[in-house]
Amino acid sequence: QSALTQPASVSGSPGQSITISCTGSSSDIGSYNLVSWYQQHPGKAPKLIIYEVSKWPSGVSNRFSGSKSGNTASLTISGLQAEDEADYYCCSHGVSSTFVFGGGTKLTVL
Amino acid sequence: EVQLVESGGGWVQSGGSLRLSCAASGLSFSSYWMSWVRQVPGKGLEWVANINRDGSEKYYVDSVKGRFTMSRDNAKSSVWLQMNSLRAEDTAVYYCARVIQGGGGMDVWGQGTTVTVSS
Repeated sequence: QSALTQPASVSGSPGQSITISCTGSSSDIGSYNLVSWYQQHPGKAPKLIIYEVSKWPSGVSNRFSGSKSGNTASLTISGLQAEDEADYYCCSHGVSSTFVFGGGTKLTVL
Repeated sequence: EVQLVESGGGWVQSGGSLRLSCAASGLSFSSYWMSWVRQVPGKGLEWVANINRDGSEKYYVDSVKGRFTMSRDNAKSSVWLQMNSLRAEDTAVYYCARVIQGGGGMDVWGQGTTVTVSS
């Protein structure tokens, strides 16, 4: 049950694209196409933005996209907007019906 | 509107107990696994526990095994987290969340309830 590894911070200018990586192991990301991503603004509950690696929940912008290769998942945000500034967390299904989260990435929109 | 509302948080001394509640509305509660996730202030999210649709299977993060117990009552559309032998490191905001069918993520979250354990 080791946490997934994310960069502590990323930044980008409005209109640009950024990618956040999430590295796990063969016991979690590598074994399941059950990676999800969450956006969290200060003082708010997390919000699901990507599930099952690359699917969008209803109402989520398609500027958010997800992918996976081996033990690493990625979240790409295109056309950065000021409101995208938030913390982002990856999560993977793990062994024995558990979940494991990444440490979180703070996105700064310059 | 689909909604989860947590309650039961508060201040407790180390070694004490608390019972968190999560009431669901506007969703087919009995069709979904449920989870508890916690967040230490200023830190990241940590999955704590899962329960399956009928409550017969429960899974926990290693750090709470033997101390926390998750349960549910589908007739009341509620889940609970009984927390015993609390430690300072259990201090966090606790969220309940609905698990997407198939386990691909958590799509509905409550607003969270704060637990403070004083040593």
